[in-house]
Amino acid sequence: KAGVTQTPRYLIKTRGQQVTLSCSPISGHRSVSWYQQTPGQGLQFLFEYFSETQRNKGNFPGRFSGRQFSNSRSEMNVSTLELGDSALYLCASSGISVAVETQYFGPGTRLLVL
Amino acid sequence: GQQVMQIPQYQHVQEGEDFTTYCNSSTTLSNIQWYKQRPGGHPVFLIQLVKSGEVKKQKRLTFQFGEAKKNSSLHITATQTTDVGTYFCADTRGSQGNLIFGKGTKLSVKP
Repeated sequence: KAGVTQTPRYLIKTRGQQVTLSCSPISGHRSVSWYQQTPGQGLQFLFEYFSETQRNKGNFPGRFSGRQFSNSRSEMNVSTLELGDSALYLCASSGISVAVETQYFGPGTRLLVL
Repeated sequence: GQQVMQIPQYQHVQEGEDFTTYCNSSTTLSNIQWYKQRPGGHPVFLIQLVKSGEVKKQKRLTFQFGEAKKNSSLHITATQTTDVGTYFCADTRGSQGNLIFGKGTKLSVKP
C-alpha cells in the first residue's frame, strides 16, 4: 500500500499571501488529521476530517481551514500568512473503524514565510 | 487545555547505555501512543497503550502505562545509533485523529 503523500514538500511564501497544502491518505483510510510542527511549540493538532466532515478542531485561528473530498483527499488552507506560520505541516491518516487507531503520517510540507 | 508533559527534553547517551523518557499528565490520559521521528523525517507509530498498568515490549523497547493512567514511559535497553531521533508520547483524548503530543525527548547516541 502506498503511504500518505503530501504536496508540495517545500514552499516559500511571503507575509499576507495564502497557501493551500494537499494530503492524500492511505487507500481506504477515511480520517485525515493535520498537525503543525515547530521547534518551539512541538506538534500541535489543527483539525481532523472524517467522511468530508470536520470532526475535531484544535486551537488555531480562523485563518487555518481545511476540507476533505469524497475520495478522502484533504486540503488545508492558510490565509494572510504570518511569519509565525513557518512550520512543518504534517497530515496523518487512520483506518476505517471509529476506534482510536494508529496515525500514519505523511512526509510533511515545510512552509517558510518571509 | 489538557497538557502532556514529557521529560527529559534531551538525552545524550553512549551506545550501549539505557534510555528512558517519561510522559506525565495532571489528568487521566485516554490512551497513550508513542511515536519516533528520525531527524528530517516524520513521526512513525511505535505502540499504543490502553489499559491501566499495561506493559508492552518490542525487542529492546519497553513501554509502560501507569496504574492511574496519568503517566507512561518508554525504556530502551542498550541503545544503538539507529535509536537516534525524537520520541513523542501522545494522548488520544478518546477521539480518533486528535492527538495531544508531548514536546518529545530528543535522543542522541554516541558510538
